[in-house]
Amino acid sequence: DQQVKQNSPSLSVQEGRISILNCDYTNSMFDYFLWYKKYPAEGPTFLISISSIKDKNEDGRFTVFLNKSAKHLSLHIVPSQPGDSAVYFCAASPDQSGSEKLVFGKGTKLTVNP
Amino acid sequence: GAVVSQHPSRVICKSGTSVKIECRSLDFQATTMFWYRQFPKQSLMLMATSNEGSKATYEQGVEKDKFLINHASLTLSTLTVTSAHPEDSSFYICSASGRAGGETQYFGPGTRLLVL
Repeated sequence: DQQVKQNSPSLSVQEGRISILNCDYTNSMFDYFLWYKKYPAEGPTFLISISSIKDKNEDGRFTVFLNKSAKHLSLHIVPSQPGDSAVYFCAASPDQSGSEKLVFGKGTKLTVNP
Repeated sequence: GAVVSQHPSRVICKSGTSVKIECRSLDFQATTMFWYRQFPKQSLMLMATSNEGSKATYEQGVEKDKFLINHASLTLSTLTVTSAHPEDSSFYICSASGRAGGETQYFGPGTRLLVL
């Protein structure tokens, strides 16, 4: 049973527009959520995170929204740039300590067209 | 941000041999390290969690005698794939978290293993 789901395997947007990547989770014990960006043959790079006590966290062009009642989070990238083209993984953890394992979604491949 | 390195980045070996992959946290002490495996078009699957100085905790379905993990110091963890077979061919990624790393896991660049 997949606890973290990214239902869109791919997303294509035009440069300058907004990219919205979605993630749903089923485990109510998850308390901390992260987004990672991954290029082929490289390790994931941390992008942004959010604790369950917040509903929004913003860092530059990246904003993560959390709807705890719906067990849904989304990553907004605006404006999208061609360099943002990568696979984006949503991950969840029971706490923020860093010592608990992350549960990953299957990823969404974002393509930003010039 | 915190830096995690992996060595080697790519390795090709014959079936039946053992391969060791190193994961190092370069600028922080990693109290916890994780080993993941990624198959094409699939998510990262956690293999095991290791804390410095103690035995690794393996996820269900991961053979601990086949995937030996050693976290001997606060900056180094090793994954040894013993008696490798072609089905072990994959992309192996480590991550680390620790005191200076904060709550975020930082990932290594990954190691591509090809078993012939």
